[in-house]
Amino acid sequence: KQEVTQIPAALSVPEGENLVLNCSFTDSAIYNLQWFRQDPGKGLTSLLLIQSSQREQTSGRLNASLDKSSGRSTLYIAASQPGDSATYLCAATPSNTGKLIFGQGTTLQVKP
Amino acid sequence: GAGVSQSPSNKVTEKGKDVELRCDPISGHTALYWYRQSLGQGLEFLIYFQGNSAPDKSGLPSDRFSAERTGGSVSTLTIQRTQQEDSAVYLCASSPGPQQETQYFGPGTRLLVL
Repeated sequence: KQEVTQIPAALSVPEGENLVLNCSFTDSAIYNLQWFRQDPGKGLTSLLLIQSSQREQTSGRLNASLDKSSGRSTLYIAASQPGDSATYLCAATPSNTGKLIFGQGTTLQVKP
Repeated sequence: GAGVSQSPSNKVTEKGKDVELRCDPISGHTALYWYRQSLGQGLEFLIYFQGNSAPDKSGLPSDRFSAERTGGSVSTLTIQRTQQEDSAVYLCASSPGPQQETQYFGPGTRLLVL
């Protein structure tokens, strides 16, 4: 059974700092891994999707990596801004289904 | 274009009542998913529809929960005889196709069972 874990649960950094969010999964048989952002009281916004054959994806100040063999993904945020404050969720898609298995999320606060 | 929409945005009901939650996916998306987000459990998969295939119901927590997708578009999640532990945010998502595609989420329906 696939399990997804995110560390840390919460993170507070000063504006401008680069930071890394961690995600680990127990079963390497995945189609892809996705990173989402959730603002309080809102739905999820997709940030990056990494297919199982890929090693990383980049979008603006965000870079996500995937290492299937070690069961790990990281989300790197460069030059953080107060507007980046939100909960970040990673989710793995097991190979035998389309459903997402989510981690518990990392709540990020970027202080001005 | 229009994203995934859900209605109602909020629903308060009494224990034992039935509720229906609606999801309108992005036009043309063949895959539709329901998830539940609660304080103690995080985000959990409930059910997945892909085209005309039989739905994956493996995440439904009990037989009080059911879902339909009519005409390959709109979906309704029904909870019968609601319990207080059903209180959560119910999120719907759709994607252009199965498995390898990005899922686009709606704003959710916040359900409170008194």
